[in-house]
Formats: sequence, C-alpha cells, structure tokens
Amino acid sequence: AQTVTQSQPEMSVQEAETVTLSCTYDTSENNYYLFWYKQPPSRQMILVIRQEAYKQQNATENRFSVNFQKAAKSFSLKISDSQLGDTAMYFCASTGGGADGLTFGKGTHLIIQP
Amino acid sequence: ETGVTQSPTHLIKTRGQQVTLRCSSQSGHNTVSWYQQALGQGPQFIFQYYREEENGRGNFPPRFSGLQFPNYSSELNVNALELDDSALYLCASSYRQGAGGELFFGEGSRLTVL
Repeated sequence: AQTVTQSQPEMSVQEAETVTLSCTYDTSENNYYLFWYKQPPSRQMILVIRQEAYKQQNATENRFSVNFQKAAKSFSLKISDSQLGDTAMYFCASTGGGADGLTFGKGTHLIIQP
Repeated sequence: ETGVTQSPTHLIKTRGQQVTLRCSSQSGHNTVSWYQQALGQGPQFIFQYYREEENGRGNFPPRFSGLQFPNYSSELNVNALELDDSALYLCASSYRQGAGGELFFGEGSRLTVL
C-alpha cells in the first residue's frame, strides 16, 4: 500500500515569488513514479511534472522543478516566478506500477496574489 | 484541453438508485481509469480498464462497476447509491498501460446523492 501526505492545506504568495509545496510518501515498491498534478477551478487536472524513482536527477519543466529526496521519501515541488495562472489545487501522487492506479495526497490550494 | 470528455457534468440521485457516468477518451488511449474525489480530498482510485478488461481495482465495493468499449468510450456504473457516494467522479485515459504514463483527465461528473 502507498500513502501520500501533503501537510500544507493552503499557501498564498505574491506574483513572481518562488513557492515550494511539500509532499512525503511511503511505499514498499522498489520502483515507483511520483507526480505533481494541477487542478484549476472547474478545469481538468493536468500533469505538472513526473519523477521516476530510479533516476537520481531531479525533474524540471520550465518554471517547475522537484526536490526528490528518496531516503527521506520526500518529493517537493518548486514553482519559480509564480504567475496568476498557477492558482490551483496541487496534488502529489505516487504509483508503484502495474494497474494499481495513482495514490493522491489531499492537495495544497495555492493562491497567487497580484 | 486534455481531449477527455465526461457526461453528465452534474446530476442528482436519491439513495438506492443506480447511476451511469460516461467518458470519451482520446483516440488511441487503450487504458482508462476512474477516480472518486470527495469534497476537499484527493482523488481515490476506483478501477482501471485495459483493452476492455478490468485489470486493477482500488478499495471499492462490487456495486462500482465499469465497461470499456472499442471506440475509446467507457462507463462507470454505481448501484444502490449511498449518501457517501456524493463526489466528483474523474475519468482518466492513457496510451500506456501500467506505471509512469501520463494520465489525461476529464473535467469530471459531480454526483449528489440525497
């Protein structure tokens, strides 16, 4: 079984600032994948960034990067130069493989203030 | 836009009734999964279909069932509705069965059970 914990229910920052969202997970799998998904209000959930556990290098996608600490089972998301359009719910998720689906955390509501 | 559409967007049922939710996946996506997202929570995995067969299931009772069709459409059926079934139901498709593949989500069907 997998668990994903997001300890920040809500965060608010000013536009152009950098913000870090926290996520910890637990898994018994040797190989697994970690994800950050973004769910804007009344919009479809979309993938922000993905990390394969066997890759030590942290994933980056433009303004989004992760800090993957495998031993600590930590997977935080850093958003640089935050924009108003980044306002959304952010979900951390993990999967161990096969057809087990994703295990999601409870989410962090990120608000970017103008 | 993810190319995944769900219907209906909203519906209200009473306890004990049955409901069918529908999803149209992206062309070429042979895997579809369904998630239940209660208010203020992260999505929970219900089950996954690959090439019209259920090949993975979360902790949901048998009254949650599904179908996947060759034309990339799928259904989620819930029998004997309970008040706790009130939630947003998300359909997600992918072209790669198993872990690691990006999921493309629909906007969801919001079910209210009275």
